[in-house]
Amino acid sequence: NAGVTQTPKFRILKIGQSMTLQCTQDMNHNYMYWYRQDPGMGLKLIYYSVGAGITDKGEVPNGYNVSRSTTEDFPLRLELAAPSQTSVYFCASSRTLSIPQQYFGPGTRLTVT
Amino acid sequence: RKEVEQDPGPFNVPEGATVAFNCTYSNSASQSFFWYRQDCRKEPKLLMSVYSSGNEDGRFTAQLNRASQYISLLIRDSKLSDSATYLCVVTPAGPQGGSEKLVFGKGTKLTVNP
Repeated sequence: NAGVTQTPKFRILKIGQSMTLQCTQDMNHNYMYWYRQDPGMGLKLIYYSVGAGITDKGEVPNGYNVSRSTTEDFPLRLELAAPSQTSVYFCASSRTLSIPQQYFGPGTRLTVT
Repeated sequence: RKEVEQDPGPFNVPEGATVAFNCTYSNSASQSFFWYRQDCRKEPKLLMSVYSSGNEDGRFTAQLNRASQYISLLIRDSKLSDSATYLCVVTPAGPQGGSEKLVFGKGTKLTVNP
C-alpha cells in the first residue's frame, strides 16, 4: 500500500491564481481530511469528509473548496490564491469512528507571492 | 482554555536521558488519545495510542489521567533519533464536534544531544 499520496510536493503560485492539491489514499478509509500548518504552528483543519459525496467545513475553510466523488480521492481547490495561504498542506485519512487514528500524506509546500 | 495544551518546550536533553511530556485537554467527554511525532519538514506520524490503563511500547510509555484530564508521554534512554516534535492529539466530543475529527496540540520540540 502506498498509503496517502499528495501531489504536487512543492508549488509557487502568483496572487490570484488557482490550483488543485491532489490527495489519494489506497487504504479504503472512509474519512479524509485537509490540514494546513504554518511555520512553527499547529495543524488547522480546513475541510473533512466522512465518505464519498459528503464534505464539511473545518476550522479554516475560507478560500478553499473540496469535493469527494470517490472513496480514494479528496482534492483541495484554492481559488484566487493569497499570500496568507502560504503554508504546508497535509491530507490525512482514517478508517472509522472506532479507529480514529489518522494517517498523513507527505504534504504539499505552497508559496503564494 | 484551549482544547489541547502542551508543555511549551523546547526540551534539550543528552542522549540516555529520560524526558516526559504532559498535555491537558479541556473536554471531559473526549474518547480517544494519541501521541504523534513530527520530524522537521515532514508529516505527523502516529507514535502510539493512549489507553486508560496506560501503555508501553519499548522505551515509550503513555498514560492517561481522565480525572485530571491530562496525558503524558515518557521517553526513556533517549536516542538522537528521538529528536522531533511530539504532538498530543485528542478526539473531541460533545457539541463542538464528533469523534471523526482529531484536535492536535501545537507540539513540544525535543532535541536529543550527543
